[in-house]
Amino acid sequence: DTAVSQTPKYLVTQMGNDKSIKCEQNLGHDTMYWYKQDSKKFLKIMFSYNNKELIINETVPNRFSPKSPDKAHLNLHINSLELGDSAVYFCASSQVLGEQFFGPGTRLTVL
Amino acid sequence: AQTVTQSQPEMSVQEAETVTLSCTYDTSESDYYLFWYKQPPSRQMILVIRQEAYKQQNATENRFSVNFQKAAKSFSLKISDSQLGDAAMYFCAYRSARGSNYKLTFGKGTLLTVNP
Repeated sequence: DTAVSQTPKYLVTQMGNDKSIKCEQNLGHDTMYWYKQDSKKFLKIMFSYNNKELIINETVPNRFSPKSPDKAHLNLHINSLELGDSAVYFCASSQVLGEQFFGPGTRLTVL
Repeated sequence: AQTVTQSQPEMSVQEAETVTLSCTYDTSESDYYLFWYKQPPSRQMILVIRQEAYKQQNATENRFSVNFQKAAKSFSLKISDSQLGDAAMYFCAYRSARGSNYKLTFGKGTLLTVNP
């Protein structure tokens, strides 16, 4: 059974479009995260939610809007996509101080 | 703010030999966790090993062990008996143990090549 799943795994789109990435975890964790991995492989936190409440927002442009309909889901919506948004986006989940389990990543390419 | 530094962008090792990947970090906190994650070409992030700062004993997981030097803020990963499947990008990461900020702060990674 997949612990943390993301859809889609690949996303190719044009500049200016709006797109969403979905994340679901079946581990019963309270906390979920979005990380961005740039072209140089650098990983950085974007958002963190705990029990559907936003805990961390690391100076991410407001074109990025996370939504957590319930504890098991944390979706990422991106408006007006730009070339610089091309990256791999990872969802992760954990119990409060437990190990973070990562999803398989979504490779976003903006043309 | 915490920072994590991996000074070796690339390393290589012969199969069956031992390699050590370096990591240093900067923090004013006394209570925290350190991790090594592996990212193979499949891009899946895999936890290799975890160290709690309050524990003096170095963590080990089979062929993987760490050398945790809290005063020096150093956290190196030793891979013994290297295997071809160990080839991957390795990331050192820091996480606070206090408050509600449980984000991982990553280093820039070390690309490990294993030569047959």
